[in-house]
Amino acid sequence: SQQGEEDPQALSIQEGENATMNCSYKTSINNLQWYRQNSGRGLVHLILIRSNEREKHSGRLRVTLDTSKKSSSLLITASRAADTASYFCPFISSGSARQLTFGSGTQLTVLP
Amino acid sequence: EAQVTQNPRYLITVTGKKLTVTCSQNMNHEYMSWYRQDPGLGLRQIYYSMNVEVTDKGDVPEGYKVSRKEKRNFPLILESPSPNQTSLYFCASSPPGPTDTQYFGPGTRLTVL
Repeated sequence: SQQGEEDPQALSIQEGENATMNCSYKTSINNLQWYRQNSGRGLVHLILIRSNEREKHSGRLRVTLDTSKKSSSLLITASRAADTASYFCPFISSGSARQLTFGSGTQLTVLP
Repeated sequence: EAQVTQNPRYLITVTGKKLTVTCSQNMNHEYMSWYRQDPGLGLRQIYYSMNVEVTDKGDVPEGYKVSRKEKRNFPLILESPSPNQTSLYFCASSPPGPTDTQYFGPGTRLTVL
């Protein structure tokens, strides 16, 4: 199966700055999701965007999806130290039985 | 509280000694899945289950078995563990319907010596 690829692999910013991370994929998708993982812990679902949506907001999170470029971006505004985590953009491939395909993630560090 | 639980959270064992990692969810979810996470490789799906008595292989099923006799439980069985199965394991569940959001357990860190 084709993995989503997060970019950059690592990102370090100051508290209060915005953080942008990107995701690219290779197959057709039904939807794309973003998850956060604090070090060594379980993944927490952040937001889901469907293939017919272009932008979605949830609190300080803004996700965009460009199906023509097979890419998505996650923007975290006014970042906090608590946002330090790894971020993943798995996707459900079209025709898949809810099989999420993961990349290696973006490690975000927010410095106080 | 709605949650996915896994036991044990940490386990050190030796090659060839059969072990079971349990997973249980209290949300009445139909779909359950097991992943392993290794540095630099992200999460890879081992097995998944669409419903009771329905299981299927994911991307890396070799060396693992699962069963789904009840809706809430989805144990992962390693019949003869090997050092290359040292990893962080996650169980996840998902409700029926179109959202496909998956709820993850806290993880089980397994070391096979």
